[in-house]
This record gives sequence, C-alpha cells and structure tokens, in this order.
Amino acid sequence: SYVVTQPPSVSVAPGKTASITCGGDNIVSKSVNWYQQRPGQAPVLVVYDDNVRPSLIPARFSGSNSGNTATLTISRVEAGDEADYFCQVWDNISDHPVFGGGTKLTVL
Amino acid sequence: QAQLQQSGPGLVKPSQTLSLTCGISGDSVSSDTSAWNWIRQSPSRGLEWLGRTYYRSQWYTDYAVSVKSRLTITADTSKNLFSLQLNSVTPADTAVYYCARRDNSGLTGLGAFDLWGQGTVVTVSS
Repeated sequence: SYVVTQPPSVSVAPGKTASITCGGDNIVSKSVNWYQQRPGQAPVLVVYDDNVRPSLIPARFSGSNSGNTATLTISRVEAGDEADYFCQVWDNISDHPVFGGGTKLTVL
Repeated sequence: QAQLQQSGPGLVKPSQTLSLTCGISGDSVSSDTSAWNWIRQSPSRGLEWLGRTYYRSQWYTDYAVSVKSRLTITADTSKNLFSLQLNSVTPADTAVYYCARRDNSGLTGLGAFDLWGQGTVVTVSS
C-alpha cells in the first residue's frame, strides 16, 4: 500500500516561515490534505487538494506538491501554530486514506 | 454548522466489545455527499483509519484490513448517528477514537476529513 513519510519534528522562530514535508512515490499524482492537531484536540483540516485553504484557515497556511514531495508552508509563524501536522492522501486502488506519521512543529 | 458528538465508555476489558456512537447535527447520515468514518490515534500507530459507512442509493461499508474481521460500523437513520463495534479487543486497541466526515461534495476536492468528533480516549485493561 502507499506510504507517506514526514519528518518527526520541525522548529521555527516566531515570525519566520515553517516548511513541513510529506514524501511519497510520485505524490504529485495524488491530492494531498493537511491537518493541524493541537494538544488534546481533534485534527482540523488546514489545506486540501494540495493547496486550497478552507474558508476559516488563515492565508499564512499554504501548500504545494511536486515530484515526490508535498509541502505545507506556514508563513509568519505564531506561537499558536505550535501543533502536530499530518498529511493525508487516498490510496488509488482501495480509496482508503493514508496518513503520514505527523510532524511536531515547535515555535522557539 | 455541522457537528459530530461522540459517546461511549472509556474503559473496556480485554476480549470484550468496544462500542462508540457518533451523533450528527447539521448534516444527515443518509447524505449522498458524505461518508462517515472512524479513525483512531495511538503513539505506536499514529492516525489509523478503521472504516466507513455511506449511503449512495443503498448503504455501503468499508473496513481497513487490519480490523476487518472484528469491526462493524452501522448507521441509524432514525437517530441520525453512526456507530462502531470492535470485538475481541486487546490492549493494542487502546487509543483515542475519532469519528469524522469525509466530504464528497466536491467542496474539498477529492474529499477530505472536514469534520471531526471530539475524540474518545479508550483504554483496554482489566
């Protein structure tokens, strides 16, 4: 089955830009969704279809997808962005979701 | 604004059945543009999709291979909710369980989990 890989952790200073990657074989052929999960809370969709933000998500959140890597970019990082971030794609054959292992974003 | 509200016990004994329900408000379990999912999360397995039910002129269910022999997901249209029953649980089933909606309307592209329940911490222990 399809596998997606994320780095366990990313650190960034406030006001800087954070990039969280999601790797997979020819992932550019898939639609990638990203979720934010704050401690003790359920995940929240922040980007879908590679680069589309739901209406309530700040424009600081953006996504891209190329080759074997999809990227979630958070600009002008704030303390409140500290959370775990998960990527998710759909397995082409089973239509079952595949989640990445998650990346813990630490705001220094 | 649609919401999902989970209910069920937080402690289950080994070999028994874990039962959880997910009540839906602001949407219908019979919606032909939604699919209703169960997902669990543990430190060892991360986010793990368990299965789903959805209505497209008839009811469909679909399960992850890892739990297919033990899992049943059902919908109750009279109460507008869906349920999970996981049989023969072991400590490995200890996790936070979430219900979630996959939007198939096209509003989230190919479909994303746009609505989640609050999560239920389930511990399997005697």
